[in-house]
Amino acid sequence: DIVMTQSPDSLAVSLGERATINCKSSQSVLYKSNNKKYLAWYQQKPGQPPKLLIYWASTRESGVPDRFSGSGSGTDFTLTISSLQAEDVAVYYCQQYYSTPLTFGGGTKVEIK
Amino acid sequence: QLQLQESGPGLVKPSETLSLTCTVSGGSISSSSYYWGWIRQPPGKGLEWIGTIYFSGSTYYNPSLKSRVTISVDTSKNQFSLKVTSVTAADTAVYFCARLPYDFWSGTYQGGMDVWGQGTTVTVSS
Repeated sequence: DIVMTQSPDSLAVSLGERATINCKSSQSVLYKSNNKKYLAWYQQKPGQPPKLLIYWASTRESGVPDRFSGSGSGTDFTLTISSLQAEDVAVYYCQQYYSTPLTFGGGTKVEIK
Repeated sequence: QLQLQESGPGLVKPSETLSLTCTVSGGSISSSSYYWGWIRQPPGKGLEWIGTIYFSGSTYYNPSLKSRVTISVDTSKNQFSLKVTSVTAADTAVYFCARLPYDFWSGTYQGGMDVWGQGTTVTVSS
C-alpha cells in the first residue's frame, strides 16, 4: 500500500497570507509512460463531503479559485493557498490514485490566525 | 448535473450487515469513463477508501475490509450498493459514494473523485 503522510496536522494563517500543506507518498506516484503524477487534493468543510480541488498534482478542477495551486515531484507534493480567505477554513486531504488501495493523507486543518 | 445520493439505515446492530445504496442521477452509471466508489469517515477522523466498481461489475476492495465488503451495481436502476458484514463499533462512520474518472484503455484512474454524495451517517450500536 502507498502511505500518504501530510504535514502539518494543522496550521493557522492570517487572512491574505500564504498557506502551505505538504504531502509525501511512500513510493512514487509518477506514471512514467505518460509522465503524470497520480495525486489529488481535496477540501472538506464541516458537515460536507470532500471537494476535489486539484488532480494530476497541479491541475485545478473547474471552478476552483486560482489562489489554490499544487506542485510536486514523484513523492513530495505541496498544496498552496496563495492568499487565505475566510472561506478556505477547512481540512485538506491529499490522495493517490496510482494504485489500489486508493489512500488518503491524514488531513491538515487550516484555520485563521 | 450529475448527483449522487446515499441511502440506507442509519443504525445497525453489532454483528449484523450494513447495507447502503448510492443512486446516480443526471447521468448514466454505465459510462465507460468512470468507476464508482465508497469512502467512509469515522467521527472526527480522516477518509478511508472502501472499494470501487465499474458498470461491468469489476470491483476493487481495500484489503483491510475485503473479507467483509461487497460492492454491486444495478445498471437498470442506475445504482450501486455496499454491504459490510459482521459490523462493529469501528464501522461507525459517515459513508460517502463518489465518482472516479477512468480510462479503459490504460486501465488507470484519470483524476480524483470528482463528484460526491452528501454522505450518510451509520452508527453501529445495540
